[in-house]
Amino acid sequence: AQSVAQPEDQVNVAEGNPLTVKCTYSVSGNPYLFWYVQYPNRGLQFLLKYITGDNLVKGSYGFEAEFNKSQTSFHLKKPSALVSDSALYFCAVRDNGGTSNTGKLIFGQGTTLQVKP
Amino acid sequence: KAGVTQTPRYLIKTRGQQVTLSCSPISGHRSVSWYQQTPGQGLQFLFEYFSETQRNKGNFPGRFSGRQFSNSRSEMNVSTLELGDSALYLCASSFGQGAGEQFFGPGTRLTVL
Repeated sequence: AQSVAQPEDQVNVAEGNPLTVKCTYSVSGNPYLFWYVQYPNRGLQFLLKYITGDNLVKGSYGFEAEFNKSQTSFHLKKPSALVSDSALYFCAVRDNGGTSNTGKLIFGQGTTLQVKP
Repeated sequence: KAGVTQTPRYLIKTRGQQVTLSCSPISGHRSVSWYQQTPGQGLQFLFEYFSETQRNKGNFPGRFSGRQFSNSRSEMNVSTLELGDSALYLCASSFGQGAGEQFFGPGTRLTVL
């Protein structure tokens, strides 16, 4: 069964420092991976995706993610954190184990990012 | 382009009632998915529709149902509400099926008393 794990409930980082939010996955076949961010009382905003190609994916708001097939990881990174980056971050994988051409996403439990001034 | 809209934004119901939530996808998007978000269970997939057909269904009881109309708008219905149905219900749309990113609406916050 497909699954996603975000091992950290919360990540704390000082403004201006680099940040990493970790994600590991388990899928059959090629993974389609996504990162979303959620601000309080809001829906999810798409940050970036990996389908195929370069292992380093660049996304919105200066975020990027590194796909590592051997470690089955897809960590979210940003070189310099902002206080406004404080939010809940979700990693997701498309469920390709059942119905073909489904957009169904399996989400991790989420990681709260706290950036302190 | 307008984003995904969901109505209503907030709902308060009592146990045993039923509720209908509405989702209007981004113009041109034909795929709509629904997710339930709770503090305990996180984000869980409910259904996916494409061109008025249910393509996939999550592991929820039959009290949860949905449909999609010819204009791609979607509704979900929950009958005989239970306290545990209190959640944020999120709708997401995408252009086609499969690998494309999904764009989420702001959600409907349902509280069951």
